[in-house]
Amino acid sequence: NAGVTQTPKFQVLKTGQSMTLQCAQDMNHNSMYWYRQDPGMGLRLIYYSASEGTTDKGEVPNGYNVSRLNKREFSLRLESAAPSQTSVYFCASSEGQLGYTFGSGTRLTVV
Amino acid sequence: AQSVTQLDSQVPVFEEAPVELRCNYSSSVSVYLFWYVQYPNQGLQLLLKYLSGSTLVKGINGFEAEFNKSQTSFHLRKPSVHISDTAEYFCAVTAGGGADGLTFGKGTHLIIQP
Repeated sequence: NAGVTQTPKFQVLKTGQSMTLQCAQDMNHNSMYWYRQDPGMGLRLIYYSASEGTTDKGEVPNGYNVSRLNKREFSLRLESAAPSQTSVYFCASSEGQLGYTFGSGTRLTVV
Repeated sequence: AQSVTQLDSQVPVFEEAPVELRCNYSSSVSVYLFWYVQYPNQGLQLLLKYLSGSTLVKGINGFEAEFNKSQTSFHLRKPSVHISDTAEYFCAVTAGGGADGLTFGKGTHLIIQP
């Protein structure tokens, strides 16, 4: 099925470890996004890429880096994981305001 | 910048009763509005969206929403709910070209009581 694919689906990290969350879309969308979801907080934008070759900070960028590898792929890196980064992470893509498609999420626990 | 307020964190309602989930937004420019549903341990699914035109928008699963510019609201309604509607509902807004992403409310947990 066409859509947004995120890997991994689950991950447990120790404090201080690093990891990269992968995201790929096959809808030829220009824009891609990383959100985190925490209980009672809704979804908050971490970083976004309006088009290939550009990235911008969202509402909660501290502790994260991103790479827009090509039009299809947008990765999120945690250089030194902290317990406060325990969350569910969603990748999304869009073509303007016409529609946003979300991946199924990555559940990350930092111990 | 835009913001979204979902006025109720939790809404209990009996099966087959009507429901309204409230959403208010704040923006200095024209906006596009969305409602998403999230079932337990799943991703987000689009229920409906308002881009332009008719202020009454119909979506999937019998839901509809009305855009009210003067009251800066986009409330979600369903005339008769089912147990399967138990989920978290998110209102979201974007402006301009939409490339800088959606701003979400904190969500409303709809609890259907038999």
